[in-house]
Amino acid sequence: AQKITQTQPGMFVQEKEAVTLDCTYDTSDQSYGLFWYKQPSSGEMIFLIYQGSYDEQNATEGRYSLNFQKARKSANLVISASQLGDSAMYFCAMREVYFGNEKLTFGTGTRLTIIP
Amino acid sequence: ETGVTQTPRHLVMGMTNKKSLKCEQHLGHNAMYWYKQSAKKPLELMFVYSLEERVENNSVPSRFSPECPNSSHLFLHLHTLQPEDSALYLCASSQDWAVRQETQYFGPGTRLLVL
Repeated sequence: AQKITQTQPGMFVQEKEAVTLDCTYDTSDQSYGLFWYKQPSSGEMIFLIYQGSYDEQNATEGRYSLNFQKARKSANLVISASQLGDSAMYFCAMREVYFGNEKLTFGTGTRLTIIP
Repeated sequence: ETGVTQTPRHLVMGMTNKKSLKCEQHLGHNAMYWYKQSAKKPLELMFVYSLEERVENNSVPSRFSPECPNSSHLFLHLHTLQPEDSALYLCASSQDWAVRQETQYFGPGTRLLVL
């Protein structure tokens, strides 16, 4: 099974609407971290939001929030009031740490296009 | 300069050339990473340095050779590359390595084309 699954290769959303980008993950570890990154066409991977597996509340950063459902192993990104500048690739990632080693696994990404 | 910078931003090279990619982080971090991003594939971790020591090498071909002279600089030396090595090469840094809550911050990447 894939570690990180993003089932939406592409999404088109009207400007000012909210959008949810799906992410499911697979791990047997009890302690792990989940991240969302945005990658515009320029290439830079921009950190958006982090959720720890033991965090009881969903993470929020401005217009970004993470809908964390631990039992379902999902960590969906919600962008409220979308803007044209939100058009980009979005990657979900999971970090596992074990035996003094770490592994950060990325999904294949979702290309979000905001329509004026 | 702030954050993580990478040079050059674009590079075209022949299979017999030797070139180097440079990464610099201005965040005071102790860990630095090289990733490869190919079209329609997830990011692939290539190398990890923690406190200037290599701690991870994910079965990367020897035609890629990393170097970390200090905690702020990371290089990727390239020689006799293949066309399939064409990709976006991303550098990242984090405060420490193997700490679960640490966030990796990425540079803008170098788009490499091997002819």
